[in-house]
Amino acid sequence: DQQVKQNSPSLSVQEGRISILNCDYTNSMFDYFLWYKKYPAEGPTFLISISSIKDKNEDGRFTVFLNKSAKHLSLHIVPSQPGDSAVYFCAASAPGSQGNLIFGKGTKLSVKP
Amino acid sequence: KAGVTQTPRYLIKTRGQQVTLSCSPISGHRSVSWYQQTPGQGLQFLFEYFSETQRNKGNFPGRFSGRQFSNSRSEMNVSTLELGDSALYLCASSTGQGFYGYTFGSGTRLTVV
Repeated sequence: DQQVKQNSPSLSVQEGRISILNCDYTNSMFDYFLWYKKYPAEGPTFLISISSIKDKNEDGRFTVFLNKSAKHLSLHIVPSQPGDSAVYFCAASAPGSQGNLIFGKGTKLSVKP
Repeated sequence: KAGVTQTPRYLIKTRGQQVTLSCSPISGHRSVSWYQQTPGQGLQFLFEYFSETQRNKGNFPGRFSGRQFSNSRSEMNVSTLELGDSALYLCASSTGQGFYGYTFGSGTRLTVV
């Protein structure tokens, strides 16, 4: 049973446009959500996180939105750049989970020049 | 600040053998978590160590074990390797207290033949 789902395996966006990556979750106990970016043959790189007490967090070109009633979060990248092309993972953490991040299966983003 | 270091980067082992992977966390980080990444299952949590104690464990068979040393370095061992153990093994380090960000290493690519 997947607790964190990324329903779009891939997304293609034109350079300069907005990229929107989506993530749904089922466990209402999750209190922190994170987005990671991963290039092939490398480990995931932390991008941005959001606490369940907030509905938005912004860091430069990256904004994460959290809709708790819908159990949905999204990552917006504006403007998208070719270097953003990677696999993006959504992850969630429950209180006391001690190292156990629950990951979605990832969305491969391609930003075309 | 040095990142999370995993050794070796690549390994080829034969079915039935055992393997040990190493992870050196960021200086000052006392928590080390291990994950397995496969194309079918995505990123799955193996276990987490904090101050030499296993605090949390994922749903993997007993063939997968780990330990942490007093300098926070961690090792992961897989005994009686199976073909299905072929995966990218990632470790992540954090301070281990409160909610904390996780920094991943580049991983060890294990191939079982």
